[in-house]
Amino acid sequence: GENVEQHPSTLSVQEGDSAVIKCTYSDSASNYFPWYKQELGKGPQLIIDIRSNVGEKKDQRIAVTLNKTAKHFSLHITETQPEDSAVYFCAASNQGAQKLVFGQGTRLTINP
Amino acid sequence: DAGVIQSPRHEVTEMGQEVTLRCKPISGHNSLFWYRQTMMRGLELLIYFNNNVPIDDSGMPEDRFSAKMPNASFSTLKIQPSEPRDSAVYFCASSLTGDGNTIYFGEGSWLTVV
Repeated sequence: GENVEQHPSTLSVQEGDSAVIKCTYSDSASNYFPWYKQELGKGPQLIIDIRSNVGEKKDQRIAVTLNKTAKHFSLHITETQPEDSAVYFCAASNQGAQKLVFGQGTRLTINP
Repeated sequence: DAGVIQSPRHEVTEMGQEVTLRCKPISGHNSLFWYRQTMMRGLELLIYFNNNVPIDDSGMPEDRFSAKMPNASFSTLKIQPSEPRDSAVYFCASSLTGDGNTIYFGEGSWLTVV
């Protein structure tokens, strides 16, 4: 089955700097890669996703890149703000969203 | 839209007791998922339904766990008997197949078995 590895497990950056979180996946048939943000005491919320037919997608300060050959994808957050502090999860699936396999999560802290 | 609604939000129960977690998916969604989140194992898919039919329950840990979806607006996850190692946050999520496959999560049910 699919296995998703996520790094780093914790990340601390200064406000205004960029943050990058990386994930690798094992199943070459995976074709859907979402990123979720989870705030304390809440459920994960989708922030951006990418499908295997594109290499990069951007939404304001957030971007995701996908390298299918290397089987890895990354989340980039620019101009970080205190409200970006949360746990971020990557996921992968070869069945759309029907069977997402999640990474272990990255606790991002933005220092003012 | 009210989003995915889960109850109870918090439950503390004694080992051996039956636990029932409830979920109301987003109206109109046709897929429903139960996930479990722990520090050790992260987010794990337990089971999912399409059009009220269980499609994949390979993530259900053991026979003590069962899930039902009697209609499109309600699902339950039951643990009987409960054990301390079942302590976790249980998330229900739903999606509309074809809507870009976005999964929307509820706020979770925090279960502690003592």
